[in-house]
Amino acid sequence: DIVMTQSPDSLAVSLGERATINCKSSQSVLYSSNNKYYLAWYQQKAGQPPKLLIYWASTRESGVPDRFSGSGSGTDFTLTISGLQAEDVAVYYCQQYYSTPFTFGPGTKVHIK
Amino acid sequence: QVQLVQSGAEVKKPGASVKVSCKASGYTFTGYYIHWVRQAPGQGLEWMGWINPNSGGTNYAQNFQGWVTMTRDTSISTAYMELSRLRSDDTAVYYCTRAGTVTTMDSSDFDYWGQGTLVTVSS
Repeated sequence: DIVMTQSPDSLAVSLGERATINCKSSQSVLYSSNNKYYLAWYQQKAGQPPKLLIYWASTRESGVPDRFSGSGSGTDFTLTISGLQAEDVAVYYCQQYYSTPFTFGPGTKVHIK
Repeated sequence: QVQLVQSGAEVKKPGASVKVSCKASGYTFTGYYIHWVRQAPGQGLEWMGWINPNSGGTNYAQNFQGWVTMTRDTSISTAYMELSRLRSDDTAVYYCTRAGTVTTMDSSDFDYWGQGTLVTVSS
């Protein structure tokens, strides 16, 4: 199984500042035939289901504000929130969908400093 | 618009079974995989498996093989997840979620999620 790890566990950021969340996969999630990373990011607010933010490691889902961006290569990936808003308080999960079982990171809780 | 609407909360005794439904609308039900993911209270997300609504084919996580069954009824665009021999640590919110098209047979992210169904297992 591919193990996903995230850091930090929790993050306090001032409004308008940048939040950076890291995710690491235990093996490559790059599919060589199409050169795509099978890596997604989700946002989960309290009492709600997860919401897809980023797929293919860096493609923003339709309707997601452009302050959310994904990057990375190899086995290291990053979700950046540029200019944190109050509504961004949530837990953020990375997920690999390269191979089953599709595994999630443990989550990073983002709150306001 | 795409919607996945799940059945209501359940309370079950240890050893019982539970069947959660997920009714899809706003898209062609047989065109996209349905996955099930669970989340224990205060915990992270755990993938359980998928069903191909077109063929009925399934792929279960090894942790759930032998005690989860995923089915569908295409006439009413509904997927089901049944978990048997429930234990207290199966207490969780269970989500259905839509993934990629069945025609490509390629893995995909989960773009739409149901609202979740809380299953509580308690004697």
